[in-house]
Amino acid sequence: DAKTTQPNSMESNEEEPVHLPCNHSTISGTDYIHWYRQLPSQGPEYVIHGLTSNVNNRMASLAIAEDRKSSTLILHRATLRDAAVYYCILNKWQAGTALIFGKGTTLSVSS
Amino acid sequence: DTGVSQDPRHKITKRGQNVTFRCDPISEHNRLYWYRQTLGQGPEFLTYFQNEAQLEKSRLLSDRFSAERPKGSFSTLEIQRTEQGDSAMYLCASSSRGGGLDEQYFGPGTRLTVT
Repeated sequence: DAKTTQPNSMESNEEEPVHLPCNHSTISGTDYIHWYRQLPSQGPEYVIHGLTSNVNNRMASLAIAEDRKSSTLILHRATLRDAAVYYCILNKWQAGTALIFGKGTTLSVSS
Repeated sequence: DTGVSQDPRHKITKRGQNVTFRCDPISEHNRLYWYRQTLGQGPEFLTYFQNEAQLEKSRLLSDRFSAERPKGSFSTLEIQRTEQGDSAMYLCASSSRGGGLDEQYFGPGTRLTVT
């Protein structure tokens, strides 16, 4: 299975943009790039996903490199509630595929 | 949409006892997943149901673990003869699409402590 590489931790200040990187150099053509986050003492929460084009939703933006070997999750204005572990996951197109989580990036947000 | 619910939220048991957890998925979701998460690690996949059929099981799911989803609605995860190594957060997720477009919705988890 293709793997992802993320920094262990990142820090941000409140109301500043945050760019969370993910490397997936062995991605295949049928892998979707998914991001989930896990707030303290909660189950993971879906954030966003994409295949080739950049994606925006109410929570975040996903920027995908042209060669798809890396992607960046962008939080446009970090809040204290965005402090969480962020997971970058490659999800195959086949139905019923389980999510393979790594250790993710722990984001700290300071006021 | 009340989300995915799990019961109990916390369970403390003695080594050797059996425990059972319940997961109620989002009502229109036909796919249901169980994961296990230990401290400092990401969740690890255990098993997957599509409707009532258990279609995939991880090597982590030893013979002491069994999961069911009767009638394709709620699901139960039973651990027999618990061991201290079973202490973890057990997470349930459900989804409707499957595959690359799948968005899995997770419950709050059941934290198991085996003493």
